[in-house]
Amino acid sequence: EPEVTQTPSHQVTQMGQEVILRCVPISNHLYFYWYRQILGQKVEFLVSFYNNEISEKSEIFDDQFSVERPDGSNFTLKIRSTKLEDSAMYFCASGRDRSSYEQYFGPGTRLTVT
Amino acid sequence: QKEVEQNSGPLSVPEGAIASLNCTYSDRVSQSFFWYRQYSGKSPELIMSIYSNGDKEDGRFTAQLNKASQYVSLLIRDSQPSDSATYLCAVLKGAQKLVFGQGTRLTINP
Repeated sequence: EPEVTQTPSHQVTQMGQEVILRCVPISNHLYFYWYRQILGQKVEFLVSFYNNEISEKSEIFDDQFSVERPDGSNFTLKIRSTKLEDSAMYFCASGRDRSSYEQYFGPGTRLTVT
Repeated sequence: QKEVEQNSGPLSVPEGAIASLNCTYSDRVSQSFFWYRQYSGKSPELIMSIYSNGDKEDGRFTAQLNKASQYVSLLIRDSQPSDSATYLCAVLKGAQKLVFGQGTRLTINP
């Protein structure tokens, strides 16, 4: 069964550094998402991406964040200047099309900002 | 009022019994609802989606939706220890954004 994959599984970075989190969505899916989950808190939407552009973003997704689909398979989330409060699990998800709104999550990247 | 509300638990159920998980949502125009299972330290795993009022069954799982009362529930029949996890209710807001509840921690006791 196809799965969303994410790399790395764990990223440690210093405050102020840039990080790039990588995702490979399910191959025939057209919609891509990033969510995050701070330890002990609920899963929060960051951004959705379709047809090579952002279709919706949350208040969390400020100018420090960007997303890109650099090729036909990868989908990346960049945080330009990390803050301590960016420490969280970051989940990539993908969805097939508008006939089904189901979103399938990858295993996540644990980001630790020190 | 929270957009999606769940009892955080823990909910303790004996093995073989029915586990019942509930969720309420605030936006009356919501049309699409999902249940995810999340094991500790892992990612959300989609269990069920439901879009119409009534029941939807898939194996041991039954999702129930009542749009008039703005609640969604998940029943797990013949509960197994492997069902012990946090169950997340999610509501689609707009066309793309899932809004999650805090989750209900379920423990199945052998």
